[in-house]
Amino acid sequence: DQQVKQNSPSLSVQEGRISILNCDYTNSMFDYFLWYKKYPAEGPTFLISISSIKDKNEDGRFTVFLNKSAKHLSLHIVPSQPGDSAVYFCAASANSGAGSYQLTFGKGTKLSVIP
Amino acid sequence: GEEVAQTPKHLVRGEGQKAKLYCAPIKGHSYVFWYQQVLKNEFKFLISFQNENVFDETGMPKERFSAKCLPNSPCSLEIQATKLEDSAVYFCASSPLREVYGYTFGSGTRLTVV
Repeated sequence: DQQVKQNSPSLSVQEGRISILNCDYTNSMFDYFLWYKKYPAEGPTFLISISSIKDKNEDGRFTVFLNKSAKHLSLHIVPSQPGDSAVYFCAASANSGAGSYQLTFGKGTKLSVIP
Repeated sequence: GEEVAQTPKHLVRGEGQKAKLYCAPIKGHSYVFWYQQVLKNEFKFLISFQNENVFDETGMPKERFSAKCLPNSPCSLEIQATKLEDSAVYFCASSPLREVYGYTFGSGTRLTVV
């Protein structure tokens, strides 16, 4: 039973354009969401996060949007750069109940930014 | 140092052999977390520690898997009698907080069981 789903295994985007990565979740107890970027043979590195009390969080070129009613979040990268090419993981956590203080990950989306 | 050090980077074991993986958290981080990533898919939570005490072990398989964090030693994850299905990359993360937004991940140990 996958609680965090990233339905697009891969995405190709032209340099300078917008990249939109999507993530859906099923567990209504999740109240904190994170995006991680991962290069081959390295651990995931934190990119941006959002609490369930917000619907948007922005950090430079990266913006995360949260739609709680749809249980959907998205990561926007504008403008996309070749160095953004990596696998992006969506992750979620609950601050109470089962699964609190641990991350539940999606399967990742491989982003390729074409120069 | 400012990185989570995981050793070894690669480990190959025959089925039935023991595997032991190590994780040195960032100095000053009280929490250590272990995750398993099978076939480049999603990460599965295994266990977490607050200093040398188990904080959450709800993801640990009941058999064959054990973990420790002892004072002044790297944390360890041990798999007794490895099986083919244990082949995965095992990631360790450390944090000064129990909350998930404090994580720093190591680069992982790739375990291959043949």
